Amino acid sequence: NAGVMQNPRHLVRRRGQEARLRCSPMKGHSHVYWYRQLPEEGLKFMVYLQKENIIDESGMPKERFSAEFPKEGPSILRIQQVVRGDSAAYFCASSPQEDGYTFGSGTRLTVV
Amino acid sequence: LAKTTQPISMDSYEGQEVNITCSHNNIATNDYITWYQQFPSQGPRFIIQGYKTKVTNEVASLFIPADRKSSTLSLPRVSLSDTAVYYCLVGNSGSARQLTFGSGTQLTVLP
Repeated sequence: NAGVMQNPRHLVRRRGQEARLRCSPMKGHSHVYWYRQLPEEGLKFMVYLQKENIIDESGMPKERFSAEFPKEGPSILRIQQVVRGDSAAYFCASSPQEDGYTFGSGTRLTVV
Repeated sequence: LAKTTQPISMDSYEGQEVNITCSHNNIATNDYITWYQQFPSQGPRFIIQGYKTKVTNEVASLFIPADRKSSTLSLPRVSLSDTAVYYCLVGNSGSARQLTFGSGTQLTVLP
């Protein structure tokens, strides 16, 4: 049973480009959470999704950021028109219900 | 959300017991205390969770005094591979939405 899979592990984007981060939850998990970790800081909650529904996006920046978790396929965190301040590690976690979650290894986004 | 305070860093030697204390003065009645471990370039990994008194599992013990305003993670006989950042989190029954990660404690185990 594979863990939470995130890809790519490393992503480099130029300012103004779009970044797409993917998260495949553990088998049987229908709840997905995205966190962002800036250098030397702890993780900050961004968004909580279930299949085809955004449950809580209180931690998402108001502009340029969006997330989805379609009926089929991985959850996607999309960042449009990236800026240098978006450089961070983005972690996904999944759970079978709203408890007992497992984190992926993260995607490190570097904006140049 | 209850705010937590923990030391920024700690050093220890292999074989020693390490105790990391976390303060959470405004913990709510229905909040649990959870500790995570994070290695470089990896996501956090659950270590232990408790509500009150003492909890022990195969990797650590968690001590929580009666007032629950602090907690202590105890790692017995640490090894070099225990070098990591340890986070103390306070939230309602483990809901990821309510978890607030502080800056954590960087534990460095020396040979």
